[in-house]
Amino acid sequence: KQEVTQIPAALSVPEGENLVLNCSFTDSAIYNLQWFRQDPGKGLTSLLLIQSSQREQTSGRLNASLDKSSGRSTLYIAASQPGDSATYLCAVAKRDTGNQFYFGTGTSLTVIP
Amino acid sequence: DGGITQSPKYLFRKEGQNVTLSCEQNLNHDAMYWYRQDPGQGLRLIYYSQIVNDFQKGDIAEGYSVSREKKESFPLTVTSAQKNPTAFYLCASKGTGIYNEQFFGPGTRLTVL
Repeated sequence: KQEVTQIPAALSVPEGENLVLNCSFTDSAIYNLQWFRQDPGKGLTSLLLIQSSQREQTSGRLNASLDKSSGRSTLYIAASQPGDSATYLCAVAKRDTGNQFYFGTGTSLTVIP
Repeated sequence: DGGITQSPKYLFRKEGQNVTLSCEQNLNHDAMYWYRQDPGQGLRLIYYSQIVNDFQKGDIAEGYSVSREKKESFPLTVTSAQKNPTAFYLCASKGTGIYNEQFFGPGTRLTVL
């Protein structure tokens, strides 16, 4: 079974700082990895999706990388803002269950003005 | 305006009652999913459907039932057999193809009184 881990569980940074969120997974046979943002009491918003053949994806101040062989992905947030405060989750889709996603427990980010 | 809608936003149930959560999408996606989210835990898959009139159990299907009679709709029934149903329920959908993103609805918070 695919296990997905996100460390740290919580992170607090001052505004303007660059930061990195980590996601690790146990089975490297994946189709893709997707990063989400969740605000309190809300659904998940898709941020970035990296296909298994890709090394990274960028959207605005966000950059996600994927190292399949080591089972790791990072989400880099540049010049953090208070509006970035949320929980960030990663999810992977395994090759043998292509339509089923496995989620990490998330990293709760607080950006202090 | 394409997206996924879930209703109701809040739902209260007495012990022993069955309740049905609604999920509708107008994204023309084939695959639909139901997840449960508890505080401090990641999303856990209840059921998913890859096509109309077909669905598969996820990791925590006991006490839940679903139907997929239309492509746009994937209702979830929480039965009285579910021992601890109080949670946040999220519906998602995904287009055909293994590299497509998963999109989420706003969620339904179910509380058992």
